[in-house]
Amino acid sequence: DADVTQTPRNRITKTGKRIMLECSQTKGHDRMYWYRQDPGLGLRLIYYSFDVKDINKGEISDGYSVSRQAQAKFSLSLESAIPNQTALYFCATSDSRGTYEQYFGPGTRLTVT
Amino acid sequence: GNSVTQMEGPVTLSEEAFLTINCTYTATGYPSLFWYVQYPGEGLQLLLKATKADDKGSNKGFEATYRKETTSFHLEKGSVQVSDSAVYFCALGGYAGNNRKLIWGLGTSLAVNP
Repeated sequence: DADVTQTPRNRITKTGKRIMLECSQTKGHDRMYWYRQDPGLGLRLIYYSFDVKDINKGEISDGYSVSRQAQAKFSLSLESAIPNQTALYFCATSDSRGTYEQYFGPGTRLTVT
Repeated sequence: GNSVTQMEGPVTLSEEAFLTINCTYTATGYPSLFWYVQYPGEGLQLLLKATKADDKGSNKGFEATYRKETTSFHLEKGSVQVSDSAVYFCALGGYAGNNRKLIWGLGTSLAVNP
């Protein structure tokens, strides 16, 4: 079974709709991250959480919110989706006791029409 | 601040060709360096890493050496296969403000033709 799972894997939604992307991990890591990937722009950090009570904005948090429901669960919400939020979204985890490496989920492809 | 610059793609090679993807970095202190690979339709996977100067990371026939004198961590493979077609990301483990983070390059797309 995958250590980091994301649901849904694909989603098409309309402008103005609220949508939630979910991430779960079985790695026992305390740190979790949400990134978006756009062609030519690489990975950009949206939000990150170093533990359940510690949530921080990344480079591009406007229009997004997150919730860390448990150590193993970190969800990303788009309160009112817009077309330029069409992208590939990745969740990642890391262990604060280890080195810097992060472990990624398979991604969610989101299309906002 | 910390930053990573990697060569732009796409890179197109024939099978069994030699691969180099350049990565240079700017950092204070002694960062850890990483290469990640993203196969089509998948998330990123750690390919190799190096945690101190002159370390060589290797995996699946790929190698990269942490060169502090040239602030580089170039990815190489002696003979690429079609299955190596993917996007490759160089990353630096460093501090942004008070927090430890990965700083990412923009990725280099590699296509290997049979």
